[in-house]
Amino acid sequence: GNSVTQMEGPVTLSEEAFLTINCTYTATGYPSLFWYVQYPGEGLQLLLKATKADDKGSNKGFEATYRKETTSFHLEKGSVQVSDSAVYFCALSTGGFKTIFGAGTRLFVKA
Amino acid sequence: NAGVMQNPRHLVRRRGQEARLRCSPMKGHSHVYWYRQLPEEGLKFMVYLQKENIIDESGMPKERFSAEFPKEGPSILRIQQVVRGDSAAYFCASSPPVQGRDYGYTFGSGTRLTVV
Repeated sequence: GNSVTQMEGPVTLSEEAFLTINCTYTATGYPSLFWYVQYPGEGLQLLLKATKADDKGSNKGFEATYRKETTSFHLEKGSVQVSDSAVYFCALSTGGFKTIFGAGTRLFVKA
Repeated sequence: NAGVMQNPRHLVRRRGQEARLRCSPMKGHSHVYWYRQLPEEGLKFMVYLQKENIIDESGMPKERFSAEFPKEGPSILRIQQVVRGDSAAYFCASSPPVQGRDYGYTFGSGTRLTVV
């Protein structure tokens, strides 16, 4: 079946450090891939997406590239801020509408 | 343009009572999804509905849980005879009436259910 595997957290970084959160997937067919962010006490917000191989999604300084050959969609940011502290979820969706989420990776950014 | 509205934000129920969670999708969205999030865990799919139809309920427990999305009004997730293990955050999401796989979801702020 379809699944998403994310690196375990928490990830703790100092402000302005480089961020990578790894995400790999298993899916039949050609899924769309997403990153969502959840701030404390809130729902998830769509951060970025990619719908086909080699697409790069980007938003607010975050980027992720859809790599079909390695079935990966790693999230990166060149310089994190304290305000980026949140839980990040990798997700995939196939033609059936249902979205499968990874377990989430908590990020702490220290000033 | 209001987003996905969920209410209540917090709900406390005693064991054995019923919990009723409401979700109004974003304007123009006709697909509704319910997810459950246990503390420090990811989101688990429960059910996917369109107006007056349950499309996929493969994540719903077979007993005590039910969901509906009537022609008029919000989607309702109902949990009968709640137990402590039902304590969780319940999130509703919606997507437009096109191929949702490319659009992603819009989430509500969730209902945090506490069973005492």
